[in-house]
Amino acid sequence: QQQVKQSPQSLIVQKGGISIINCAYENTAFDYFPWYQQFPGKGPALLIAIRPDVSEKKEGRFTISFNKSAKQFSLHIMDSQPGDSATYFCAASMMKTSYDKVIFGPGTSLSVIP
Amino acid sequence: NAGVTQTPKFQVLKTGQSMTLQCAQDMNHEYMSWYRQDPGMGLRLIHYSVGAGITDQGEVPNGYNVSRSTTEDFPLRLLSAAPSQTSVYFCASSYGQGRGGYTFGSGTRLTVV
Repeated sequence: QQQVKQSPQSLIVQKGGISIINCAYENTAFDYFPWYQQFPGKGPALLIAIRPDVSEKKEGRFTISFNKSAKQFSLHIMDSQPGDSATYFCAASMMKTSYDKVIFGPGTSLSVIP
Repeated sequence: NAGVTQTPKFQVLKTGQSMTLQCAQDMNHEYMSWYRQDPGMGLRLIHYSVGAGITDQGEVPNGYNVSRSTTEDFPLRLLSAAPSQTSVYFCASSYGQGRGGYTFGSGTRLTVV
């Protein structure tokens, strides 16, 4: 119930192509879905986030698509660049009494090749 | 503005040794937390704090202790290191209850032999 599933585990995309990472959750109490980007040797950094009352959110080349009925959401990276090569984590969170409980997916390693 | 600073960056311990991982933030964030990152398992919450003097357990707290005497600092103590604690540890902080996203440190890579 608390898991967030993420696929694929790794992804290789040609420069200029579209990268797609998919995530799924079970617990309908989750109400906020952030994506984090992590470069080697660095900590994760918030990339983009969406709430379940919105079906799509776009920021530059990054788009989150959200399907509330299927309990699935995905990250699309348009015109993928070598600089996008990183590990991407989806997450799902719910507000608890005093903090925001966040469950992270296992991560997707993206390599964008020239 | 340094953000979240973790020390050390790398550490090798022998089984049974104890040590403290340091975490400091200069953003006046109320919420701080410790995660461990293991291959294929994402980030798992160890302990968190919603303010000075207040701490609580996350999903994998066994073998770790924390305290929060100031807003800025949130050290993580390994009481008696075990090989299963070999991991990369991240400290994170956020304003309020975290809804705006976390700021992570650059991590501590710990190996227990």
